Amino acid sequence: GQNIDQPTEMTATEGAIVQINCTYQTSGFNGLFWYQQHAGEAPTFLSYNVLDGLEEKGRFSSFLSRSKGYSYLLLKELQMKDSASYLCAVREAAGNKLTFGGGTRVLVKP
Amino acid sequence: GAVVSQHPSRVICKSGTSVKIECRSLDFQATTMFWYRQFPKQSLMLMATSNEGSKATYEQGVEKDKFLINHASLTLSTLTVTSAHPEDSSFYICSARVGLAGGQGTDTQYFGPGTRLTVL
Repeated sequence: GQNIDQPTEMTATEGAIVQINCTYQTSGFNGLFWYQQHAGEAPTFLSYNVLDGLEEKGRFSSFLSRSKGYSYLLLKELQMKDSASYLCAVREAAGNKLTFGGGTRVLVKP
Repeated sequence: GAVVSQHPSRVICKSGTSVKIECRSLDFQATTMFWYRQFPKQSLMLMATSNEGSKATYEQGVEKDKFLINHASLTLSTLTVTSAHPEDSSFYICSARVGLAGGQGTDTQYFGPGTRLTVL
């Protein structure tokens, strides 16, 4: 089974940086994904990590430490449109199933 | 990029009726699709994995006779909620597996826009 934890809510100011942490305990591991989900909409793919280290994609970066069972998503230069839920998901070693964390609601204030 | 559609986007039905939700991959073939359910302010819970041409694999606690899944072609999977009750009201989301050819650098899932089901 999988256990994935992330904070429930975070608030940040427009233009600032926010870091969303995700810890996981899994029997197998074949990659960690971050998705963005606006209210009432489907999740959209943001990033993927399978090896330790930092992956950068524009204003968004994601980090993984497999030995610590830890990842974070870093959002830079926050914009109002970044207000959304951010979902951490782990893929099992076998198959393509994703198990999602509870999601972190980020509120960006002016 | 890979596009997944769902129909209908919203449905309201009476208790005891059945509702069918369609999930289509529009510009690619998906051998595997997934069905999720999401309650308000909660995360996605995987209900079942749908493989083209074979029976779906259901997660523990999901009633396969209540949530019928058919993956008849490489671009279409359907979820039928049979004898729906108010507790089945939820946001149902499908996703399709996209391999490395999807251009995202990894074997990942693309999500449909979701179907909001309300059972009165």
